[in-house]
Amino acid sequence: SAVISQKPSRDICQRGTSLTIQCQVDSQVTMMFWYRQQPGQSLTLIATANQGSEATYESGFVIDKFPISRPNLTFSTLTVSNMSPEDSSIYLCSVRQQSSTEAFFGQGTRLTVV
Amino acid sequence: AQSVTQLDSQVPVFEEAPVELRCNYSSSVSVYLFWYVQYPNQGLQLLLKYLSGSTLVESINGFEAEFNKSQTSFHLRKPSVHISDTAEYFCAVSDPYDKIIFGKGTRLHILP
Repeated sequence: SAVISQKPSRDICQRGTSLTIQCQVDSQVTMMFWYRQQPGQSLTLIATANQGSEATYESGFVIDKFPISRPNLTFSTLTVSNMSPEDSSIYLCSVRQQSSTEAFFGQGTRLTVV
Repeated sequence: AQSVTQLDSQVPVFEEAPVELRCNYSSSVSVYLFWYVQYPNQGLQLLLKYLSGSTLVESINGFEAEFNKSQTSFHLRKPSVHISDTAEYFCAVSDPYDKIIFGKGTRLHILP
């Protein structure tokens, strides 16, 4: 299994600002993903964080709005840029090993934009 | 691309009654299927998973799901629900060792 630490756990931000969310894993993992869960909704995949290269974004998500870094096999960041109230969501980091069938999720970052 | 359809957004059921939460997925050569649960104000937890082999998989708290390839379904069942089962249930699918795609979720509401 993998233990995932996300920071911050929650934040309240002003519109127009940016927030960077950190995801730290206690072991090296092959795959890291970022999801968004809007209030009362399911999890939507934002992107796959690739080590040493640009992230792979899902339809509807762009790098300018959600820049992602992954400098090594245990750490990734997601930035929510130029925030608006519509960005208020829970953002979750998820990891999966190439050899594992199971994915693990962090506790999430609850973001409120005012 | 993989996709998942959860047919019911909410399911009310009386305590100690049986329940079925429906899930259909898009077909693929090989697929992994999951049910995740999210209790109120808590994180996401894996409930059970189907990878291969026996089509009936069980969880430790009495839930079971049956993989039906011909109907591309993976419905979740429990013969007798408890108030503590109140939660949001998410069906999910993935290719082996790839991203996991979630359904929209089904809110299980247990009535006293």
